Amino acid sequence: GQQLNQSPQSMFIQEGEDVSMNCTSSSIFNTWLWYKQDPGEGPVLLIALYKAGELTSNGRLTAQFGITRKDSFLNISASIPSDVGIYFCAGQKADKLIFGTGTRLQVFP
Amino acid sequence: GAVVSQHPSRVICKSGTSVKIECRSLDFQATTMFWYRQFPKQSLMLMATSNEGSKATYEQGVEKDKFLINHASLTLSTLTVTSAHPEDSSFYICSASGGSNTEAFFGQGTRLTVV
Repeated sequence: GQQLNQSPQSMFIQEGEDVSMNCTSSSIFNTWLWYKQDPGEGPVLLIALYKAGELTSNGRLTAQFGITRKDSFLNISASIPSDVGIYFCAGQKADKLIFGTGTRLQVFP
Repeated sequence: GAVVSQHPSRVICKSGTSVKIECRSLDFQATTMFWYRQFPKQSLMLMATSNEGSKATYEQGVEKDKFLINHASLTLSTLTVTSAHPEDSSFYICSASGGSNTEAFFGQGTRLTVV
């Protein structure tokens, strides 16, 4: 099935550093979503974006919906150890979600 | 956010047997439920979409006779893996949307191991 390209694939950072990851697609989406998945758990929604150009924050998280509607980025500021996990972007078409390939984040104290 | 509960969280079964996984929306009526499969270190791949009271729509390459989906009520959908084989071992995750929830909320997943 179709997947969105997400980069980087993995990141190893020190606590306190800022993180940026992005997601690109060859298709246009009307909604972009960012999820975090902990090991052995289902994804948890972090941020939802509904309009091209929209910039939305949720605590230390900030995400933007690209103007072309084919990309999105997620920033995490001042990372903490509990930010560890896999981050997935997802584009929504009608009622279906297409997931990105994931970014694995490791935070060292 | 809304709560979606999946059961069991882990199951081990013998090759050739069938396994049923339940997905419940606890505090809202889920008009649509989705089933995903996730292999280790990979992303979630949509298997099928089910709407309450109607037949599920399967994604290309997913065998509908092997992965039976029932969405008989607005709070429950089940996925039955029939005649399971070791290659069916995976993490199965459901999500649900409906009511005032435009976004889909995910269950905690079921780790299936076929031996």
